[in-house]
Amino acid sequence: NAGVTQTPKFQVLKTGQSMTLQCAQDMNHNSMYWYRQDPGMGLRLIYYSASEGTTDKGEVPNGYNVSRLNKREFSLRLESAAPSQTSVYFCASRSRDRAGYTFGSGTRLTVV
Amino acid sequence: AQTVTQSQPEMSVQEAETVTLSCTYDTSESNYYLFWYKQPPSRQMILVIRQEAYKQQNATENRFSVNFQKAAKSFSLKISDSQLGDTAMYFCAFMKQPFSNSGYALNFGKGTSLLVTP
Repeated sequence: NAGVTQTPKFQVLKTGQSMTLQCAQDMNHNSMYWYRQDPGMGLRLIYYSASEGTTDKGEVPNGYNVSRLNKREFSLRLESAAPSQTSVYFCASRSRDRAGYTFGSGTRLTVV
Repeated sequence: AQTVTQSQPEMSVQEAETVTLSCTYDTSESNYYLFWYKQPPSRQMILVIRQEAYKQQNATENRFSVNFQKAAKSFSLKISDSQLGDTAMYFCAFMKQPFSNSGYALNFGKGTSLLVTP
């Protein structure tokens, strides 16, 4: 099925460990996004990539890095995980017609 | 920066009744887009309805409709004939026109948790 695929769906990390969240879309969308969702906070933008080869910071970029590997893939890396990064992470992509985003199913990350 | 405010953290409604979720936003933009997203317990984000600011007519999608008041910067969602499957978190979201290389990022409210009871 066409859409946005995120891996893994669940992950537990120890403080200081690193990991990369993977995201791929097969809809030929130009723009891709990473959000985090915390209780009572809604979704907050971490980083985005308006087009292949470009990335920009969002509202809460500290502690994260991203890579737009190609048009399909946009990864999010935590170099040294902290308990404050415990959250649900969503990847999304957007088509040119501004009809809204397509979201992945999310990754629940717990940092202990 | 644009802010989106959902003043009702939780709401409940009985099956078959009508409920309205409130959303206000703050922006200096004249052209923008507004959305309502539904997030059921499965965690999936589902687009419910969208509204272009330049359109005066309120958007409707089956049982879902909006009341868009541009001057008041208000964008409420009305759910008619509520069903048990409507139980979910609902997010209001704002997207402005591109500025520099903004990439059309969505700004979300904090959400309203809706419970539909039998």
